[in-house]
Amino acid sequence: DAGVIQSPRHEVTEMGQEVTLRCKPISGHDYLFWYRQTMMRGLELLIYFNNNVPIDDSGMPEDRFSAKMPNASFSTLKIQPSEPRDSAVYFCASTQRAADTEAFFGQGTRLTVV
Amino acid sequence: KQEVTQIPAALSVPEGENLVLNCSFTDSAIYNLQWFRQDPGKGLTSLLLIQSSQREQTSGRLNASLDKSSGRSTLYIAASQPGDSATYLCAAPTGGGNKLTFGTGTQLKVEL
Repeated sequence: DAGVIQSPRHEVTEMGQEVTLRCKPISGHDYLFWYRQTMMRGLELLIYFNNNVPIDDSGMPEDRFSAKMPNASFSTLKIQPSEPRDSAVYFCASTQRAADTEAFFGQGTRLTVV
Repeated sequence: KQEVTQIPAALSVPEGENLVLNCSFTDSAIYNLQWFRQDPGKGLTSLLLIQSSQREQTSGRLNASLDKSSGRSTLYIAASQPGDSATYLCAAPTGGGNKLTFGTGTQLKVEL
């Protein structure tokens, strides 16, 4: 397997624009996690899915953020409208089961909102 | 709520030295703990997953220990090499065990 695949690797957008980040988890993994990493706050969990169903979105900072997982092989994280404070690296990770198994991370999407 | 702390935040050592990275967690009702490595501009790579039933877990020059009663885990790196330079993060389960809380990491630099 190619691992967790995220796209794009880098995204620069203007404030107010919609941004969509994409993730393809490892085949056979039941859990998918979206994280955000910043220097100030470290690595924060935004939302996670189990078998394509959102389980916990308590980490989603605002209603401007939304995530979907239409099938087992694809998930999106959307920010609309984007703001400069959303600038961060966004990671997607998948696990075969929950946190009791090894987590595999994608390479991340570096988002810059100007 | 699980809180994870890592000390030191940064560490610089000469090549060949043995070193220990520390991780503390507040909720000891965990069944495992993971150590990750992150290279600049890259994602996280899982190094070791140590179960609560284990005291230690080893992979090559890496050895992780877990002491639930004291809320501590250590990552021991033997005979450090420049290629070990990276940020090391530990993560403990939280929220019923389905998600991870990460520490802020220790940035390691191994110098020639």
